[in-house]
Amino acid sequence: AQSVTQLGSHVSVSEGALVLLRCNYSSSVPPYLFWYVQYPNQGLQLLLKYTSAATLVKGINGFEAEFKKSETSFHLTKPSAHMSDAAEYFCAVTSNNAGNMLTFGGGTRLMVKP
Amino acid sequence: EPEVTQTPSHQVTQMGQEVILRCVPISNHLYFYWYRQILGQKVEFLVSFYNNEISEKSEIFDDQFSVERPDGSNFTLKIRSTKLEDSAMYFCASILRIFYEQYFGPGTRLTVT
Repeated sequence: AQSVTQLGSHVSVSEGALVLLRCNYSSSVPPYLFWYVQYPNQGLQLLLKYTSAATLVKGINGFEAEFKKSETSFHLTKPSAHMSDAAEYFCAVTSNNAGNMLTFGGGTRLMVKP
Repeated sequence: EPEVTQTPSHQVTQMGQEVILRCVPISNHLYFYWYRQILGQKVEFLVSFYNNEISEKSEIFDDQFSVERPDGSNFTLKIRSTKLEDSAMYFCASILRIFYEQYFGPGTRLTVT
């Protein structure tokens, strides 16, 4: 079975500050990991993905994430927050034995203060 | 850029009624999915569909649910007799190949009264 835990359902940062959204996964086989963003009243948009190539993955809008197998983590970071980054962020995992079914974490709502 | 579309954007129905949620996946994609998100909760997998048949389904996807790809473009989710607890946002997704990223539609908000 696979699972995802996102620590912190709400994260608040100041504009220009570092963004760090935490994701830990559980998978009995090598995972494929994703971060999606959901803006209000919109669908899920892929930010970035890890599929067993480079452990540091760069995505859209200046976000990146690092896969750390020893820590079973895939934390999302951005050096400098922008007001437009305010949204809900979901970490998701799938694997070879999961038929590409995505298992999502509970989500983290990012708030950016001016 | 190609995108997944869903209709309607919002559906209100009475308990016990049948609803059909419609999705048009990206045209050359081969794998199709339905997920749901109850307000304030995480996104949950419902069902995956490949080669005109269900490949995986969750325990949520009981006999009240069915999926169909009636033609070469549409992918539908039917709920035969809606319950209050079916109120949620329903997302359709598609992928070209296994383990590629899933492209999500904007969702249909289903409200059961």
